[in-house]
Amino acid sequence: SAVISQKPSRDICQRGTSLTIQCQVDSQVTMMFWYRQQPGQSLTLIATANQGSEATYESGFVIDKFPISRPNLTFSTLTVSNMSPEDSSIYLCSVVWVRGQYEQYFGPGTRLTVT
Amino acid sequence: LAKTTQPISMDSYEGQEVNITCSHNNIATNDYITWYQQFPSQGPRFIIQGYKTKVTNEVASLFIPADRKSSTLSLPRVSLSDTAVYYCLVGLGSYIPTFGRGTSLIVHP
Repeated sequence: SAVISQKPSRDICQRGTSLTIQCQVDSQVTMMFWYRQQPGQSLTLIATANQGSEATYESGFVIDKFPISRPNLTFSTLTVSNMSPEDSSIYLCSVVWVRGQYEQYFGPGTRLTVT
Repeated sequence: LAKTTQPISMDSYEGQEVNITCSHNNIATNDYITWYQQFPSQGPRFIIQGYKTKVTNEVASLFIPADRKSSTLSLPRVSLSDTAVYYCLVGLGSYIPTFGRGTSLIVHP
């Protein structure tokens, strides 16, 4: 299985500021995803960040608000820009390995609180 | 995007078998069905995955009928530590894995 770490694990930020979340994987993977999970809710896919191509955003999410970088096969960042209290959530990165079947693994998440 | 429908919550008792059914009527030909377990303040954890028929591993079984429009996760002899939210996920074949609302399972002593 893949080991995924995220930094920071949690943060409290003021509205109007930006936070960059880092995702580090212990193996090279092509497919990476960023999710958001609000309290008591399911996971919502923000974007797909495959190495070598521009990130693809889901409906309701835009690059100006959630810019993503994917410089190599083991690392990605998600920035939450111009934050508001509505951005308070847990942000998770996820990777997919294709080894006969599709194996998806998740990081521990970054708990963001915007005040 | 394939959407899934699961019961919002279920209750069980220690030692019982729990079956959680997920509906996914518009599953695509190349989509897989995957189930995840999530504890509070943790990322989802892979339980089991299947494409058709039955799959079994050391923690669960997954039953998929021929039309693949539903699937059932079976947890044998649950314990208190199985209290968690269980998600049915359809996708990956289409590279767009999306989560449904999940089923909150509470196991009672």
